[in-house]
Parts: sequence; C-alpha cells; structure tokens
Amino acid sequence: GAGVSQSPSNKVTEKGKDVELRCDPISGHTALYWYRQSLGQGLEFLIYFQGNSAPDKSGLPSDRFSAERTGGSVSTLTIQRTQQEDSAVYLCASRTVGNEQFFGPGTRLTVL
Amino acid sequence: RKEVEQDPGPFNVPEGATVAFNCTYSNSASQSFFWYRQDCRKEPKLLMSVYSSGNEDGRFTAQLNRASQYISLLIRDSKLSDSATYLCVVKNRGSTLGRLYFGRGTQLTVWP
Repeated sequence: GAGVSQSPSNKVTEKGKDVELRCDPISGHTALYWYRQSLGQGLEFLIYFQGNSAPDKSGLPSDRFSAERTGGSVSTLTIQRTQQEDSAVYLCASRTVGNEQFFGPGTRLTVL
Repeated sequence: RKEVEQDPGPFNVPEGATVAFNCTYSNSASQSFFWYRQDCRKEPKLLMSVYSSGNEDGRFTAQLNRASQYISLLIRDSKLSDSATYLCVVKNRGSTLGRLYFGRGTQLTVWP
C-alpha cells in the first residue's frame, strides 16, 4: 500500500522567502509528526497532530514556523522568512494505534 | 538533560563481529521502547520494539533495564548491510499516539 509521501523532495530557496512543505500520511493514520534533521545530526521534533489538532508544538523553533492539518489527513509545514539555518531535511511521519511510526522520504530544504 | 542519550560512535567492525549499542533515557515514566535504523540519506525505519523481558529477532537482540533506564541492542554476525545509524527511541506514558523521543543515533560501519 501507499506509504507516507512528501513534496517537494527538494526545495532550494533564497533567504527571506516563505516555503511550504507538504505531507500526505498513510490513509487512516490519526497521528502525524514533523521532524527536521540537519546534516549529520539527530532528529529534531517539531510538532505532532492528533487528528487536526496539535497537542504538542513545543519543538517549533520560532514563530516563523507553523503547521496545519486539514481533514485529518494532509499537513503543511510553513516556514516564513527562511534563514540559512533552516536548511535541513524535513521529515514527516504518521502512525495509528498499534502500529509503528512510518516516515516519509523527507523534503531537503536548502536556503541560499 | 536530553530524553535519550546514545554514544554516537562511529563503530567500525569487521564482518562477522558482534557489536553492542547502549542507550539511556531520562524519564522513569517512559513506557515503550524501540530501535530504528536509518540508512545514509534515507528515512528512519523501525528495526524492532524492545520488550521488558528482552527480545530477539534473528541476529538482533534488544534488552531493557527499567531500573537503570538503559536499553541495548546487540548485533551478532554483522553483515555489510548492517551499516547504518541506529536510533534509540522512547515513548513516555500518556497519549497512546504521543510523540516519540529519538536519540541522536549510533553510526555503525561493517567492513569486509
């Protein structure tokens, strides 16, 4: 069956521009998670959704970062006024009760 | 203090060797434990869950010591294909679908 998909797979942007990253979770997975991973670093938790609400958004690094989820399915992570330190791979994962957390292939963001 | 701590390595071992990774977690209320594997430039994937009594999956053995808040992964008869980063993952008590806490990972290279 279809796994978690993310788009775009790669995004190059100029400093100061806004970017929007998309995640399509596995159908029926109620929980959705966003992480980022800088080169050679561990996973950094950003936010998680249960349904359309976000019980834990403690990992968002600044108010330039926001995320939403609609219809209990697709989620978008928006980064406003991007900075070079935002360059990383942004990973999305989804999960349902009794199942493991499945990750998407990630979006590689490069801010020039 | 980080929720999950791991020795980042790298561990470089010959084929056929036995190698062990350790991990400690800080929250005594942690409830579920996992090892994930991440290949270079790929997303993490579940390797195995860790049960209180310890569990084995082929060449892989996971152990949990709740008193010491310590998790281990033993790989016997290492294969070249075992080269990857191994992530120790913990879920705290609470919401069934709550966030997972990832260690930074231990890098393993198996050489011929």
